[in-house]
Amino acid sequence: DTGVSQDPRHKITKRGQNVTFRCDPISEHNRLYWYRQTLGQGPEFLTYFQNEAQLEKSRLLSDRFSAERPKGSFSTLEIQRTEQGDSAMYLCASSPTGQGTSTDTQYFGPGTRLTVL
Amino acid sequence: SQKIEQNSEALNIQEGKTATLTCNYTNYSPAYLQWYRQDPGRGPVFLLLIRENEKEKRKERLKVTFDTTLKQSLFHITASQPADSATYLCALLLYSSASKIIFGSGTRLSIRP
Repeated sequence: DTGVSQDPRHKITKRGQNVTFRCDPISEHNRLYWYRQTLGQGPEFLTYFQNEAQLEKSRLLSDRFSAERPKGSFSTLEIQRTEQGDSAMYLCASSPTGQGTSTDTQYFGPGTRLTVL
Repeated sequence: SQKIEQNSEALNIQEGKTATLTCNYTNYSPAYLQWYRQDPGRGPVFLLLIRENEKEKRKERLKVTFDTTLKQSLFHITASQPADSATYLCALLLYSSASKIIFGSGTRLSIRP
């Protein structure tokens, strides 16, 4: 399978618990992105990696959120002390580096749907 | 304030007709504008990209126009089919951050047989 994969697909947790999501990008893609999407809205940018370096973070990303990409391959997104407002679909995307507009096309995974009770 | 607006939350048209979706933006200077398709419970899928110096781009039954003066893009699906039913997202790739894409809230398109 050459697509972006995310695990788990669904997560139900109680308020105050910590959760961690994993994203495996397309293997030759250097760039990896995390987005959050709530019902009826478009995806909202959270953070971006080029290889293992986290180059940009949204101001909306509170200090309860942390993302890593330790070896420049897969990435994890952790949410500590979850709140009901964290309930959303968390999307991962990847893109290649290089020349041309193909580098600006992002390939999305299926998402992880988080429900905080 | 900066915003991206897509013309309506939902559009319902008859099979075979042309669907036209609108994307308007304010206070952005995008390098590119993109359109994505999203089906329920799935991630967005890239459809087309158009640069600021391009007026029109086509791909099979899809056509996108980009007017940087009006700050507007139109997305057309000709000879629409029920399988085209989905949410369509407009997205801007900004000069200020080559990595970040800003999405609109989407238009839900339904094609009735």
